[in-house]
Amino acid sequence: EVQLVESGGGLVQPGGSLRLSCAASGFTFSTYTMHWVRQAPGKGLEYVSAISSNGVSTYYANSVKDRFTISRDNSKNTLYLQMGSLRAEDMAVYFCARGGGYSYLDVWGQGTLVTVSS
Amino acid sequence: DIQMTQSPSSLSASVGDRVTVTCRASQSVNSYLNWYQQKPGKAPKLLIYAASSLQSGVPSRFSGSGSGTDFTLTISSLQPEDFATYYCQQSYTTPGTFGQGTKVEIK
Repeated sequence: EVQLVESGGGLVQPGGSLRLSCAASGFTFSTYTMHWVRQAPGKGLEYVSAISSNGVSTYYANSVKDRFTISRDNSKNTLYLQMGSLRAEDMAVYFCARGGGYSYLDVWGQGTLVTVSS
Repeated sequence: DIQMTQSPSSLSASVGDRVTVTCRASQSVNSYLNWYQQKPGKAPKLLIYAASSLQSGVPSRFSGSGSGTDFTLTISSLQPEDFATYYCQQSYTTPGTFGQGTKVEIK
């Protein structure tokens, strides 16, 4: 079964750091571009970051640039999002997703909640 | 970044109704337009990719059309399990920006 499972969310103080993980199974992880998308409580979807299959190319939304770092370990079939200098507006459910041939997002994880509060 | 605008933001419909949601891009995205369904507390689910291709396992009552800047998602006969929020997304450029969503509610 093709599956993505996020972990690492939780409560963090403003200015703090957190690392999210996304474990992939059921497909050849190393051949897919991977993405992070977030959703603030009661709001719509916001594209956060992407990384190419070999990890060489990365993209960040302006809202997280210079604070977040996306990476992957193809030997462990795992995607990461290192988040730093967290702000109240970063509070959201973070989803990892697999990128398909037309750059659509065809497989999603269940999401992990990041709460930023003192 | 390309801006995506959906209309309406919400709609009320009855089971069996034909429902149409539109999505407009601020510039041409060719056919790189995708539609997702999201139910409360769940991850989004891909319904339509490349404007009109039905994702495997998605019921045929869902269809998509359009190219360039104007796109449509149609549900031919609304079923109880279709009450959800629908998002369009362009994947022509990075970031793959999303529309603000259309909530389909029970009338």
